[in-house]
Amino acid sequence: DAGVIQSPRHEVTEMGQEVTLRCKPISGHNSLFWYRQTMMRGLELLIYFNNNVPIDDSGMPEDRFSAKMPNASFSTLKIQPSEPRDSAVYFCASSLGHGVYEQYFGPGTRLTVT
Amino acid sequence: DQQVKQNSPSLSVQEGRISILNCDYTNSMFDYFLWYKKYPAEGPTFLISISSIKDKNEDGRFTVFLNKSAKHLSLHIVPSQPGDSAVYFCAARDSGTYKYIFGTGTRLKVLA
Repeated sequence: DAGVIQSPRHEVTEMGQEVTLRCKPISGHNSLFWYRQTMMRGLELLIYFNNNVPIDDSGMPEDRFSAKMPNASFSTLKIQPSEPRDSAVYFCASSLGHGVYEQYFGPGTRLTVT
Repeated sequence: DQQVKQNSPSLSVQEGRISILNCDYTNSMFDYFLWYKKYPAEGPTFLISISSIKDKNEDGRFTVFLNKSAKHLSLHIVPSQPGDSAVYFCAARDSGTYKYIFGTGTRLKVLA
């Protein structure tokens, strides 16, 4: 298996622009997670899905952030409008089931908002 | 409010010696703990875990110790190898929500 796939790997955008991050989980995994990594807060869980349904989005920082999972093999995290403080590395992870199994992480998307 | 704390941002160890990475937590609802290892430009990968009903789990050169009364866990790597140089994240699972809470990471550098 190719593992969790994320695109793009790097994104540089200007403040106010819309940013869309993409994730393809491992086939057969039922749970998908979006994390943000910063120096100050480490890895923060933003939102997770179970069987394509959003279960907990309490980690989403603001209404500017939204996430969708239209099917079992694809998810997006959108930031609109983006701000410089959104600059971070965003990871997608998947697992066989929520909370029970280890999570497999993608390589991350490094987002820079200028 | 960090529920999982890794107070040492970095650690340097000589090759062949023991590396000890520490993690403290505050939430007594945590019932499962994991360590992840992260190389630059890659996502974290699972390393080792321990249930709250145990106090030790060993896998090759890696051993995790859990002290529930002190709300402290540690990862021991013996002997340390240059390839162990990475960022190590401690994570804890909330038994109520099943969410994993990660620490801020410790960068380990093993010197050859």
